[in-house]
Amino acid sequence: DSGVTQTPKHLITATGQRVTLRCSPRSGDLSVYWYQQSLDQGLQFLIQYYNGEERAKGNILERFSAQQFPDLHSELNLSSLELGDSALYFCASSLGPEKRSEQFFGPGTRLTVL
Amino acid sequence: DAKTTQPTSMDCAEGRAANLPCNHSTISGNEYVYWYRQIHSQGPQYIIHGLKNNETNEMASLIITEDRKSSTLILPHATLRDTAVYYCIVRVPNYGGSQGNLIFGKGTKLSVKP
Repeated sequence: DSGVTQTPKHLITATGQRVTLRCSPRSGDLSVYWYQQSLDQGLQFLIQYYNGEERAKGNILERFSAQQFPDLHSELNLSSLELGDSALYFCASSLGPEKRSEQFFGPGTRLTVL
Repeated sequence: DAKTTQPTSMDCAEGRAANLPCNHSTISGNEYVYWYRQIHSQGPQYIIHGLKNNETNEMASLIITEDRKSSTLILPHATLRDTAVYYCIVRVPNYGGSQGNLIFGKGTKLSVKP
């Protein structure tokens, strides 16, 4: 158990819909990262937040957005969903008080768009 | 981040040592070698990281060549539960909240066989 939690575990929705994925980082970790893993693209970095502020953006579509709240949990919002958005979405956290550089990943949310 | 080259797949007999190689010939002086693994659709799991000295923890050992152009991850007594995709990543450790995302390649699929 990495200490990172993600909800929901599975999500099935239809094209055009909007969903929200939630991540709670390890206690004390300030940085949250979102990654997408699809069959054809592998693990791809989407976006990073550090203590509430956006720090880096990767291959994140304009239809996707995220935020990190004062309690450090994060949400990834996916809108106008397309079939190709079906993937595993992982959240990772790092940089707690002990300043460890490695990232700890949650169990993921499996999104299926029908 | 520097690029890495790993074999696509490897087999290992249960109870034997698994030696997973990684080439990173363009690694910079301040980049570390990190290893993560992903067991079937679970979140990636941090294993170990190092700069130039050999490192060992409860999971594995990391051997880095003197010129730092390659490294080997060693699982001393592989079990069936070690069957996973292993990713070698080189990066500058993120300690200050700046961009610190991981760039995953295709990794090595290790199959541990009874």
